[in-house]
Amino acid sequence: GNSVTQMEGPVTLSEEAFLTINCTYTATGYPSLFWYVQYPGEGLQLLLKATKADDKGSNKGFEATYRKETTSFHLEKGSVQVSDSAVYFCALRQGDTGRRALTFGSGTRLQVQP
Amino acid sequence: GAGVSQTPSNKVTEKGKYVELRCDPISGHTALYWYRQSLGQGPEFLIYFQGTGAADDSGLPNDRFFAVRPEGSVSTLKIQRTERGDSAVYLCASSLGGDSPLHFGNGTRLTVT
Repeated sequence: GNSVTQMEGPVTLSEEAFLTINCTYTATGYPSLFWYVQYPGEGLQLLLKATKADDKGSNKGFEATYRKETTSFHLEKGSVQVSDSAVYFCALRQGDTGRRALTFGSGTRLQVQP
Repeated sequence: GAGVSQTPSNKVTEKGKYVELRCDPISGHTALYWYRQSLGQGPEFLIYFQGTGAADDSGLPNDRFFAVRPEGSVSTLKIQRTERGDSAVYLCASSLGGDSPLHFGNGTRLTVT
């Protein structure tokens, strides 16, 4: 079945540091890939997505590239801010069966210190 | 505008009791999803509605869990004979369907004592 594996947290960084959160997946066919973010006290919200190999999703300074050869979708940001402190979830949706359900990773908590 | 609303925000119940969790999706969203999130884990899919019908209920763990969406908007997740293992945050999400993004509510935290 489908699965998503994320690096365990928490990840603690100083403001303006470079961020990488690793995500790898197992899926049949050609899934779409997503990063969701959950800020304290708020619901999950879509951060970025990529729907086919070599696509790059980007939003709010975050980027992730769909790498089919390594089945990865690592999240990166060049300079994090305290306001980026949140839990980040990598997710996939199987592309070729019409199934709409998302499969999530276990989440990675990011703490950015001033 | 209003987002996805879930009520109650917290529910404490005794083992063996019946509970109902409510989700009000964003107006006009035809697709509605229920997920369950245990502590330290990502959301786990339960059921997906397109309109009034359950298009995919493969994530419901057993027959104690049931969900309805009779008029294609509000949905209720029903859990019979609750067990301590049912304790989790139950998340609802809605979307315009197709590949449009999911909008999540803040969830209902269910605690079974």
